[in-house]
Amino acid sequence: EIVLTQSPGTLSLSPGERATLSCRASQSVSSNYLAWYQQKPGQAPGLLIYGASSRATGIPDRFSGSGSGTDFTLTISRLEPEDFAVYYCQQYGSSPRTFGQGTKVEVK
Amino acid sequence: EVQLLESGGGLVQPGGSLRLSCAASGFTFSSYAMSWVRQAPGKGLEWVSTISGSGGGAYYADSVKGRFTISRDNSKNTLYLQMNSLRAEDTAIYFCARDRSPSDRSFDLWGQGTLVTVSS
Repeated sequence: EIVLTQSPGTLSLSPGERATLSCRASQSVSSNYLAWYQQKPGQAPGLLIYGASSRATGIPDRFSGSGSGTDFTLTISRLEPEDFAVYYCQQYGSSPRTFGQGTKVEVK
Repeated sequence: EVQLLESGGGLVQPGGSLRLSCAASGFTFSSYAMSWVRQAPGKGLEWVSTISGSGGGAYYADSVKGRFTISRDNSKNTLYLQMNSLRAEDTAIYFCARDRSPSDRSFDLWGQGTLVTVSS
């Protein structure tokens, strides 16, 4: 099973600042099958990024994904008020599909 | 409107059973693999099970293998999860989710979730 470790656990930033979230895998993620999800309190997760770097439908371009192999990054170029949430990475190249433990982006 | 709507959650005693349903609308249900993902209170996400579009293939997390059964009725556009021998650690919000495509198995559509509480 591939273990995904996200860092930091919590990121305290102000609106307009840049957010950089990390996701490290215990072994190489096949074909860069790595996704990022955003979850707000009381809501279901929503897909942001798939295939490590492709934005899902309707996702603004301030969200970008990068990385390959075992190291992946989600970048939010300028935080909007609605971006404060918990972010999860997920690998789906190997079974079982696994999630990271999440990074909370909170208002500083 | 493209959406998924779960139902069937509730309070059940340890060792009991429950069946969850997920009604799909707005897309060709049989063309997509579907999954269940759960989230324990205040915790992260855990993949539970996946079924192929035809229903011919089913896959389970080790934590539920032998106790949970995923199934689907494509004529009713509905996904199911039969949960038996429930344990306290199965307490969670259960989401149904759609695979984005046969070649990309990220989850691009989620339901709002249904809460299962296992307690005496």
